[in-house]
Amino acid sequence: AQSVTQLGSHVSVSEGALVLLRCNYSSSVPPYLFWYVQYPNQGLQLLLKYTSAATLVKGINGFEAEFKKSETSFHLTKPSAHMSDAAEYFCAVSKDGGFKTIFGAGTRLFVKA
Amino acid sequence: EPEVTQTPSHQVTQMGQEVILRCVPISNHLYFYWYRQILGQKVEFLVSFYNNEISEKSEIFDDQFSVERPDGSNFTLKIRSTKLEDSAMYFCASSESGGAADTQYFGPGTRLTVL
Repeated sequence: AQSVTQLGSHVSVSEGALVLLRCNYSSSVPPYLFWYVQYPNQGLQLLLKYTSAATLVKGINGFEAEFKKSETSFHLTKPSAHMSDAAEYFCAVSKDGGFKTIFGAGTRLFVKA
Repeated sequence: EPEVTQTPSHQVTQMGQEVILRCVPISNHLYFYWYRQILGQKVEFLVSFYNNEISEKSEIFDDQFSVERPDGSNFTLKIRSTKLEDSAMYFCASSESGGAADTQYFGPGTRLTVL
């Protein structure tokens, strides 16, 4: 069965600091991996996705993630945090033959001035 | 940019009542989904729908739930005889194709409160 684990329900960084949100996946077959962001009172917005092409995936708003099969990880990074990055971030996984996306528990990012 | 819309944004109902949550997917999308998020818990898949049929459903999606595309634009989730534990945020999503790599576009959600 597929699953994702997000390490840290809350992450706090200072404005301008590196953002690192951790995600590990479990899948018996090659997965498709996603990062979504949810701003207050809004829906889930796709940041980026891995679909077995390049292992380093670039997304919107300066975010990127690297697929590491050996570590079963897909961590999300941004070199310099901005106040507007404060939101909840969800890692998610899907696989061929299925329609559903399986989400992690989410990590709330706080950005301090 | 096209987006998925959902109504109402907040629904309050009494236990045992029926509710219908409404969604308007992106117009050229063919696959539709419902997810829910109980407060403080993960976003959970409920059901996917294509060509007027359920294509996949989770164990959560029991006989209490049903989905329908009553016309060319709306996609609804009906919950019969609501229970306290049905209180959650319900998200609708749509995608162009049903491929696992295809991006699912999510609506803003409907917060359902069962009293």
